[in-house]
Amino acid sequence: QKEVEQNSGPLSVPEGAIASLNCTYSDRGSQSFFWYRQYSGKSPELIMFIYSNGDKEDGRFTAQLNKASQYVSLLIRDSQPSDSATYLCAVKPQAGTALIFGKGTTLSVSS
Amino acid sequence: GAGVSQSPSNKVTEKGKDVELRCDPISGHTALYWYRQSLGQGLEFLIYFQGNSAPDKSGLPSDRFSAERTGGSVSTLTIQRTQQEDSAVYLCASSLVRLSTGELFFGEGSRLTVL
Repeated sequence: QKEVEQNSGPLSVPEGAIASLNCTYSDRGSQSFFWYRQYSGKSPELIMFIYSNGDKEDGRFTAQLNKASQYVSLLIRDSQPSDSATYLCAVKPQAGTALIFGKGTTLSVSS
Repeated sequence: GAGVSQSPSNKVTEKGKDVELRCDPISGHTALYWYRQSLGQGLEFLIYFQGNSAPDKSGLPSDRFSAERTGGSVSTLTIQRTQQEDSAVYLCASSLVRLSTGELFFGEGSRLTVL
């Protein structure tokens, strides 16, 4: 059973702080890793993807991957109230299969 | 259309009835996915269609659930003899073949309520 685990939160941070979201996965053969954001009542949308060990930065977002530890994280710098949402970690176990999603971490950024 | 279209947006049904949910993916997207999301839960994978390959049905929770995709485009998810635990938002998503960026484009979902 391929699993993706996330702390459900809520994670509360003040505006301007760094938010750190974490995810672990069970399938060591997983190839690709994604972070989706889902606003309340809306559908998920992709914000970051990462394939290789290390860090990947895109604006205020940084994805970090450690395949040896089967761990992927998302850092949000200078958090804004508009970042308040549920963040879903998704993993592609192997070629030709669907993404497996975690249950998501709810982030609340207070102004 | 420009995005993934799902219908109906809301469906209320009585326990034991059959329901059909429809998904029209983005034109040119050969991969199509069905997920469901219960209140406060993540996305549960149901079924995945990729081009002309046999679908990956490994996520279907019971034999009451089935899906088909006609002509490589529109897909229908059918739930027979609905139960209250089937109440959820059913999300359809599509993507290009290679899924190189992992970007699934989701529809707005079909909210199913089984009374």
